[in-house]
Amino acid sequence: DAKTTQPPSMDCAEGRAANLPCNHSTISGNEYVYWYRQIHSQGPQYIIHGLKNNETNEMASLIITEDRKSSTLILPHATLRDTAVYYCIVRVRGSGNTGKLIFGQGTTLQVKP
Amino acid sequence: NAGVTQTPKFQVLKTGQSMTLQCAQDMNHEYMSWYRQDPGMGLRLIHYSVGAGITDQGEVPNGYNVSRSTTEDFPLRLLSAAPSQTSVYFCASSPPNQPQHFGDGTRLSIL
Repeated sequence: DAKTTQPPSMDCAEGRAANLPCNHSTISGNEYVYWYRQIHSQGPQYIIHGLKNNETNEMASLIITEDRKSSTLILPHATLRDTAVYYCIVRVRGSGNTGKLIFGQGTTLQVKP
Repeated sequence: NAGVTQTPKFQVLKTGQSMTLQCAQDMNHEYMSWYRQDPGMGLRLIHYSVGAGITDQGEVPNGYNVSRSTTEDFPLRLLSAAPSQTSVYFCASSPPNQPQHFGDGTRLSIL
């Protein structure tokens, strides 16, 4: 599975959009980009994933560059409850997918009033 | 539907003791995994399973055993606890090619 690089920390004002970047320059064509977050040392929570098209769900949007070497997770209106560690993970799809995830250090997002 | 249930939530052991961390899921998920998280670090994979009777090692398997006799249960055994195994342990499950669901964790201290 390809490695990812994320900034260690970011701040965001409450109500503003939080844009969390992730570099995955060695990603393969059969690997998805997944985002999870972890609040207060609880179990990680799935947010969103994508292959090459932009994706949106009720929690966030995922923008993947055309060359797939980087992506951005967007929380459109951050709240204090979005303060968490955000993990960007690449994960192989199909028959090579064994369900395991390789976590990096993640980005600690601090949402401020 | 309880999701992924981990027991116990907290445990203190003495060096050399053995114990089993329990993980159960009621979603009929084929894939299950165990991770540990040390302070200030991301999660690291210990062992994983793609179905009943099938297990494999992750990044940090030493000192731990697993078995998968049923789809629902995936216990993690510490054979002889060491202080270096003090950590928070998370269990996760998923269907193939789907996002993982995590339990609330077991906080383990080894004195």
